[in-house]
Order: sequence, then C-alpha cells, then structure tokens
Amino acid sequence: RKEVEQDPGPFNVPEGATVAFNCTYSNSASQSFFWYRQDCRKEPKLLMSVYSSGNEDGRFTAQLNRASQYISLLIRDSKLSDSATYLCFPASGYSTLTFGKGTMLLVSP
Amino acid sequence: GAVVSQHPSRVICKSGTSVKIECRSLDFQATTMFWYRQFPKQSLMLMATSNEGSKATYEQGVEKDKFLINHASLTLSTLTVTSAHPEDSSFYICSAPTSGGDEQYFGPGTRLTVT
Repeated sequence: RKEVEQDPGPFNVPEGATVAFNCTYSNSASQSFFWYRQDCRKEPKLLMSVYSSGNEDGRFTAQLNRASQYISLLIRDSKLSDSATYLCFPASGYSTLTFGKGTMLLVSP
Repeated sequence: GAVVSQHPSRVICKSGTSVKIECRSLDFQATTMFWYRQFPKQSLMLMATSNEGSKATYEQGVEKDKFLINHASLTLSTLTVTSAHPEDSSFYICSAPTSGGDEQYFGPGTRLTVT
C-alpha cells in the first residue's frame, strides 16, 4: 500500500457543485493532517489543518477517520477559483514527509 | 502565516554549470528545512532534509554529491545543483515548519532549466 493515496482526478464540476476528495494514509503514527492547495506552476499553500475529528472553514470541511486512516475534503458551492490541485499531507514529525500526489479539481462555468 | 522566500525564482543555465538556490525563512527561525523537486504534472518529491549546523539527510536515490545542501544559519538553507544536466530541469521548492508545528510553509519555488 502506498504511503499516501489520492484519486488524481481530474474532477470536473460546474460552479456551485459540491465535491469531495479522499486521501488514505498508511502510517498509523501520523498525528497531524493537512490539506494543501497547489495552483499550476506555483508552490503548495496550506488550505486547512485537521487536528481532531474534523473542522470546517467556510465552504471547506475536512474530516479525519483515524480508524480507517483516511481524511477527506469537502468543498461546497464550488467557485472557478477553486480550480487547483489539492494535496493531502499526513504528518508524523520530521521523520517522514510524504505528500499525496494530489487531486486535480476543475470548476467550469 | 509564516513566510519563506526562495531565490532565484527562475534560472536558465548551460549543461555542466552549477546553480545555487537559496531558501530563507523571513519571520521565523528554522532549524530544519526541506527540499523538494517537482516535474511537470508530477507530485512533490522530497529530496533532502536540511539541518542547521549539521549534514543534510538525503532521500533514497538522491545523489548527495550532486545536490549540495548547506544550512549555515537558522534562516537560510542553500541547494546547489552541481554539473547540471537537462534532466535536472525541474521546479525546486523548499519548505520549513514553524516551531512546534507540523505544517509546512513553502517557498515560491525555483524553476530551473538546463540547456
């Protein structure tokens, strides 16, 4: 099993749609979880941290399921500007730094 | 959030030359920084961990003699690509965690093209 797995997509959705991404991780020692957003030819930027069972920030909701070792990201009311690649990052200190390959989202008018 | 800068943002060099990329933490100190490489439409790949005051640790398959890393201060790490070849052309990104946190703050990246 790969350390971090994400569906590469692309997910093509119309504006206003709700879309969800999943990420599974194999390192049970992971303690902190993050979603990053990466625009084309740019660096990743932190989107959300997920520290407990989950949290919400505006249109974005991240959830964590430790038993099944996956985290999810839900985007409601998609905007054109949400088009990007979303990277999953389960952290377990500095010993391992493994990002998911990312899920590409394309929001169309 | 924390700010990490990289310089240069873009560089074109001839095959066989060396290129130095700087990564700076602007508003915090970073005893550890990380260097990644990303090829087009590929994922971020961790190359090495830069440790202030000690040797860098390299990921499997990354040549330490080709990718020289120096972390001379708590705010600066440098990556030197020695004897660059066209296959080294890539997007090089650094990141640093803030003290006590696991989240990574990324530099804006350096796009290297070797001709």
